[in-house]
Amino acid sequence: QKEVEQNSGPLSVPEGAIASLNCTYSDRGSQSFFWYRQYSGKSPELIMSIYSNGDKEDGRFTAQLNKASQYVSLLIRDSQPSDSATYLCAVNTRDDKIIFGKGTRLHILP
Amino acid sequence: KAGVTQTPRYLIKTRGQQVTLSCSPISGHRSVSWYQQTPGQGLQFLFEYFSETQRNKGNFPGRFSGRQFSNSRSEMNVSTLELGDSALYLCASSQGHEGQPQHFGDGTRLSIL
Repeated sequence: QKEVEQNSGPLSVPEGAIASLNCTYSDRGSQSFFWYRQYSGKSPELIMSIYSNGDKEDGRFTAQLNKASQYVSLLIRDSQPSDSATYLCAVNTRDDKIIFGKGTRLHILP
Repeated sequence: KAGVTQTPRYLIKTRGQQVTLSCSPISGHRSVSWYQQTPGQGLQFLFEYFSETQRNKGNFPGRFSGRQFSNSRSEMNVSTLELGDSALYLCASSQGHEGQPQHFGDGTRLSIL
């Protein structure tokens, strides 16, 4: 059973600090990785895609991928109250299925 | 560019009935995937359609079925509804090639009485 694991949280971070969200996956052959943000009562919204080892930056967001450790993370710099949401990690496995983690609830403290 | 459109947004049904949900993907997207989301189980994959063919399937009973039309629009049908089918049903579209991200519609919230 291929799995994607995330800490359910809630993760509480002071406004202006860096929020660090982590995700591990079981399928070593996975090649594509995605982070989605989901506000309460809304649908998931794609915020980052990452395909190769290392860091990928987009504004205040940085995705980090380490395929050897089967680990992907999302850093949010200068956290804002509007960043409070559930963050879903999704992995495209070697047989081209996308598996979602159950998400980490992030709460930015004003 | 219009996003993924799901109709209806809300549905109330009773046990034993059936329901059909609709999804229109982003223009040019050929893959449509359906998910069930509940507070306890998170996002659970139902099935994916690509070019009118079911390409992947999750672990749901046969009461859950779907289809895709030549214009890539997709429908999902649930027969003999059970209380446990109450959930947010999300549709996501992508270009369908390996590694392409999915984009979600606003979902249909189904409540079973």
